Amino acid sequence: GAVVSQHPSRVICKSGTSVKIECRSLDFQATTMFWYRQFPKKSLMLMATSNEGSKATYEQGVEKDKFLINHASLTLSTLTVTSAHPEDSSFYICSASGVTGGPEAFFGQGTRLTVV
Amino acid sequence: LAKTTQPISMDSYEGQEVNITCSHNNIATNDYITWYQQFPSQGPRFIIQGYKTKVTNEVASLFIPADRKSSTLSLPRVSLSDTAVYYCLVGDMRGGADGLTFGKGTHLIIQP
Repeated sequence: GAVVSQHPSRVICKSGTSVKIECRSLDFQATTMFWYRQFPKKSLMLMATSNEGSKATYEQGVEKDKFLINHASLTLSTLTVTSAHPEDSSFYICSASGVTGGPEAFFGQGTRLTVV
Repeated sequence: LAKTTQPISMDSYEGQEVNITCSHNNIATNDYITWYQQFPSQGPRFIIQGYKTKVTNEVASLFIPADRKSSTLSLPRVSLSDTAVYYCLVGDMRGGADGLTFGKGTHLIIQP
């Protein structure tokens, strides 16, 4: 299957700082990328959808000014958690779909964010 | 987006065949059925996808009845490493469609 790479896999930051997470589709062009958040023992929750070259669409309750999403190319999307607080600590996962010939989506390995 | 219902948890033993059934009564005409596997602290891994009838790959089979209102993931001869959460999702992600909505998934526990 197609490969989606997410970086970093783990990050610890101080409260009030910003953190950027990268999501890359390595062997296909991702016309759409999705960002999810997952709390311990819970399911994945969709945060936002981004299409290459346009503004992201955020799910209800997700602050767009806090979670900045950029999808500048067909292979890269970034999620920036601005002014992070301990309650933002979570597992963030991206997925990508696009020109693979099939309707499935492929997921990155996830980023464990801990805000201290 | 079609909602899915699957058992919260299942137990089985090594070497057994495991079948996990998912209900999706409101599946749309363009929707595909996709199953993912997730281990702790990892992103979901694609297992199999189908639209109708039966699909088989090297790791699993997917059975979809004619009305497409349910589907069954079949894992042959499971091992301890198959202990994971399995998610059934319906949707079509081509061309900027909506993101897949995850249900609670099925926590499969394989015992020796």
